[in-house]
Amino acid sequence: SAVISQKPSRDICQRGTSLTIQCQVDSQVTMMFWYRQQPGQSLTLIATANQGSEATYESGFVIDKFPISRPNLTFSTLTVSNMSPEDSSIYLCSVLDRGLGAFFGQGTRLTVV
Amino acid sequence: QKEVEQDPGPLSVPEGAIVSLNCTYSNSAFQYFMWYRQYSRKGPELLMYTYSSGNKEDGRFTAQVDKSSKYISLFIRDSQPSDSATYLCAMTRGGAQKLVFGQGTRLTINP
Repeated sequence: SAVISQKPSRDICQRGTSLTIQCQVDSQVTMMFWYRQQPGQSLTLIATANQGSEATYESGFVIDKFPISRPNLTFSTLTVSNMSPEDSSIYLCSVLDRGLGAFFGQGTRLTVV
Repeated sequence: QKEVEQDPGPLSVPEGAIVSLNCTYSNSAFQYFMWYRQYSRKGPELLMYTYSSGNKEDGRFTAQVDKSSKYISLFIRDSQPSDSATYLCAMTRGGAQKLVFGQGTRLTINP
């Protein structure tokens, strides 16, 4: 199964600033997914990132707020821009391993103060 | 109506009990089903992955899928305190389609 590393594991940020989260996979994957998990809630998909093309965002999420890069088949970044306390969440990246299921990184716990 | 419904619990059972966790769904296009365990402050860990109706067993865990009723279950036998976590069901239409998650059930196994 795919092994996913996420950095940072946690951060406390000032409102109005931006944070970039990195996701590294130990194998080449076509699609990577970014999720948000608000306190006590389930996972909500932010966007799907294909290598070499623009990310596809879900309803309620926009590129200006959550820009995503996907420079190669093993790496992606998600930036949370102009942060407010409402952005305090766990952010998770995920990949699909065909025939085995979907795997997640350990998440980035973001607190905005 | 949500696409996937999962009883959020909390569910508390004594050690050694059999635990049954359930999800229902409304979209008959879902073909692949997953169960995740999530410990506090950790990412979801894939427990079971199934794509056909019937049962799939892995150690103390059994995943059951009934596509005709749009109902999936996860059974945990001989439950242990280390099984205390939030359990999430998830499903997808297949290919590179996104996962749709249930709300998660918080489970506590009491020694």
